[in-house]
Amino acid sequence: KAGVTQTPRYLIKTRGQQVTLSCSPISGHRSVSWYQQTPGQGLQFLFEYFSETQRNKGNFPGRFSGRQFSNSRSEMNVSTLELGDSALYLCASSARTGVEREQFFGPGTRLTVL
Amino acid sequence: TQLLEQSPQFLSIQEGENLTVYCNSSSVFSSLQWYRQEPGEGPVLLVTVVTGGEVKKLKRLTFQFGDARKDSSLHITAAQPGDTGLYLCAGAMGSGYALNFGKGTSLLVTP
Repeated sequence: KAGVTQTPRYLIKTRGQQVTLSCSPISGHRSVSWYQQTPGQGLQFLFEYFSETQRNKGNFPGRFSGRQFSNSRSEMNVSTLELGDSALYLCASSARTGVEREQFFGPGTRLTVL
Repeated sequence: TQLLEQSPQFLSIQEGENLTVYCNSSSVFSSLQWYRQEPGEGPVLLVTVVTGGEVKKLKRLTFQFGDARKDSSLHITAAQPGDTGLYLCAGAMGSGYALNFGKGTSLLVTP
């Protein structure tokens, strides 16, 4: 099975712009979660989508949003970019069955805000 | 607020040495996972533990989940340079799928 894919891998934007990141989960996985990773805060949960519905949301401002399509692919959007949004954005997919809560991560999108 | 505290933050050892990484919390987790991440890549799942007191072995890596499901440890025997990376523990609470991550232990194994 192919793993989780994320596009683009690298992105450079300027303050005030908006950005859309894309994630394709492992085939058959219907849950997609997004995380932000920075050197200071580590990995922090943004939100989770399952069957096109947001199921959980982390403690991030409303500038961060996402959606999931009927084929389970997901996008996240960040509007009015700030310097502090520079980070590695990781997408993880899960079959959302069983008690293990296992999630499988993509390679991430490195966003740099100038 | 970081629910999971990992220690040590950094570890530099020589090939062949043993080491233990700790992941502690005051919260109870329904499952706990260990990941290894290399620079510029996403975390790769190593193991998931679910039952209090559970011990799992993956070649030279031994993972243990505390009896109260609040803490975990990762022990590496005879470390090799290929073990170098950032080791992350992550816990799920209740029925949710949001993972709470520790800040990680950066391990460097030199030949």
